[in-house]
Amino acid sequence: KAGVTQTPRYLIKTRGQQVTLSCSPISGHRSVSWYQQTPGQGLQFLFEYFSETQRNKGNFPGRFSGRQFSNSRSEMNVSTLELGDSALYLCASRIGGPTSNEQFFGPGTRLTVL
Amino acid sequence: AQRVTQPEKLLSVFKGAPVELKCNYSYSGSPELFWYVQYSRQRLQLLLRHISRESIKGFTADLNKGETSFHLKKPFAQEEDSAMYYCALRAGGNTPLVFGKGTRLSVIA
Repeated sequence: KAGVTQTPRYLIKTRGQQVTLSCSPISGHRSVSWYQQTPGQGLQFLFEYFSETQRNKGNFPGRFSGRQFSNSRSEMNVSTLELGDSALYLCASRIGGPTSNEQFFGPGTRLTVL
Repeated sequence: AQRVTQPEKLLSVFKGAPVELKCNYSYSGSPELFWYVQYSRQRLQLLLRHISRESIKGFTADLNKGETSFHLKKPFAQEEDSAMYYCALRAGGNTPLVFGKGTRLSVIA
């Protein structure tokens, strides 16, 4: 099975711009979660989508949003970028049921905001 | 709210020495605990989960509910164990993983 894929792998944006990141989960996985990884804060949960519905949400401002499509692919959007949004954004997928507790992570998208 | 604490940002040990990466959690219920590892230039991957009670790459971890800890141990460190290690907790089947801030393990030859 192919692993979780994320595009693009690298992005450079300037303050005030917006960005869209994409994640393709493992085939058959219906749950997609997004995390922000920074050296100071580690991995912080952004949100989780399951069957096109947001199931969980972390403590991030409304500038961070996401969605999931019927094929389980997911996108996250960050509007009005700030310098502090520079981070590695990780996507993870799992089957999605209450007992499917293993998450598989993608390689991440490294976002740099100048 | 659940919280995972990894008190050491960096742990350096010599090859062949025992390793213990500490993880403490706060959660009033029965959590699922995991250890994830991120080797240089590789993606984050699951190393251990407490329900499996297995040993992976020589690592073991025991859930101590009394001390709310889930420390990761290996009796003899190898150079290839050098990586970033994250402890994570899930409160229930459909809740998100909560990660600690990670410990960088450096094994010195």
